Formats: sequence, structure tokens, C-alpha cells
Amino acid sequence: AQKVTQAQTEISVVEKEDVTLDCVYETRDTTYYLFWYKQPPSGELVFLIRRNSFDEQNEISGRYSWNFQKSTSSFNFTITASQVVDSAVYFCALRANNAGNMLTFGGGTRLMVKP
Amino acid sequence: EAQVTQNPRYLITVTGKKLTVTCSQNMNHEYMSWYRQDPGLGLRQIYYSMNVEVTDKGDVPEGYKVSRKEKRNFPLILESPSPNQTSLYFCASSSDRGRGYTFGSGTRLTVV
Repeated sequence: AQKVTQAQTEISVVEKEDVTLDCVYETRDTTYYLFWYKQPPSGELVFLIRRNSFDEQNEISGRYSWNFQKSTSSFNFTITASQVVDSAVYFCALRANNAGNMLTFGGGTRLMVKP
Repeated sequence: EAQVTQNPRYLITVTGKKLTVTCSQNMNHEYMSWYRQDPGLGLRQIYYSMNVEVTDKGDVPEGYKVSRKEKRNFPLILESPSPNQTSLYFCASSSDRGRGYTFGSGTRLTVV
């Protein structure tokens, strides 16, 4: 079985603060893929990043960065200098090789960035 | 434009009246999937398909049917909808399991 846990259900920050969204996953598979999605108030799901289990290199994309650590089964997402437009629900997801086509989502973290 | 198109966006129906939510993708993707999103429960997979005529159950398949007769289409069928199927539904497609799914805009279904 595979599982994704996002312990923070809601985070509130003031604009320009940095914020980290936590994601912890469980899988017995050695080959798997991790994803982050953003769901703004309009409701659509926007793909942000994917990472495979063999690539522990951290990634930075503008104000976004991701820290993948297999030793702690975590794939955390940091937004630097947050903006009001970052307000959304963020989902972490896992797709293990032996789980067929099952994409398992965490419960999501609602981020509110106040001006 | 590469996209996944779901219809309708909003639907209110009555208990027991069969309905179909359509999903179409124009990216020639093999993988397609249906999810429902409920407050406090996140997104849960209903059914998925790895290719034409190949479908399998996800976490919450009860009360739903799907078919994959063509690569681009993956309709979700509720034969006898019930109020507990009131939810936000997403269709998604992917070219392979290592890639992120592209999601449709969602269908908000209310069963009264």
C-alpha cells in the first residue's frame, strides 16, 4: 500500500514570508514518482513538479524549491517570498511502479498568503 | 492546445437518474483516470485506464462505471446516482507513469 501524508492542513503567512509545505510518503516500491500540484481558488489542478525515486537532486524554479530526501521519505516544497497569488491548496502525490496506475494524493495543505 | 476536456462543468441531478460525465484528451495519452475530491478526504481515484479496453478499479469504484472504447475518451457513468456521490470530479491523462497527469477543469456534481 502507498500513502501520502501532508500534516499541515492549513498555513497562513504574510506576504513575502517564506513557507515550507511538508509531504511524507510511504511505499514499499523502490521505483516511484512524486508530484506536487497546485489547486487555486478557481478549482483546477495545476502540475508543478515531478521527481523520480532515483533523483534526489533538489530543484529550484524561481521562487519555488523542492527538497527530496529518501532517508526521511519526504518531499517538501518551499515558496520563497510568498505572494498573495500563491494562495491555493497544494497537493503532494505518489505513483509507485508496482501500484499500477494508482496516483495517491495527500490530503492537501491550504496556504493563505495575506497582504 | 494540449488539454483534457470534461463536460459538463456543473450538474445538478436527482437520485437514480443515470448520467454520464464525458472526458476527452487530445494528447494521445495512454493513461486516463477519474478522481473525486471531497472536503477532508482529498482526491481519491475512482477508475483508471492504461489503454483502450483496459480499465481497472481505483480506491472508490462503487457506484461508478467507465469505458475506454477510444484512446481519447474516458466517460464516467453513474447508473443510479445517490446523494453521497455529490462531489467534485476530475478526469486526468498521462503519457506514462513517470509523468504528471494533466487534469481537466473538473465537474461539480450535486445529487439531490
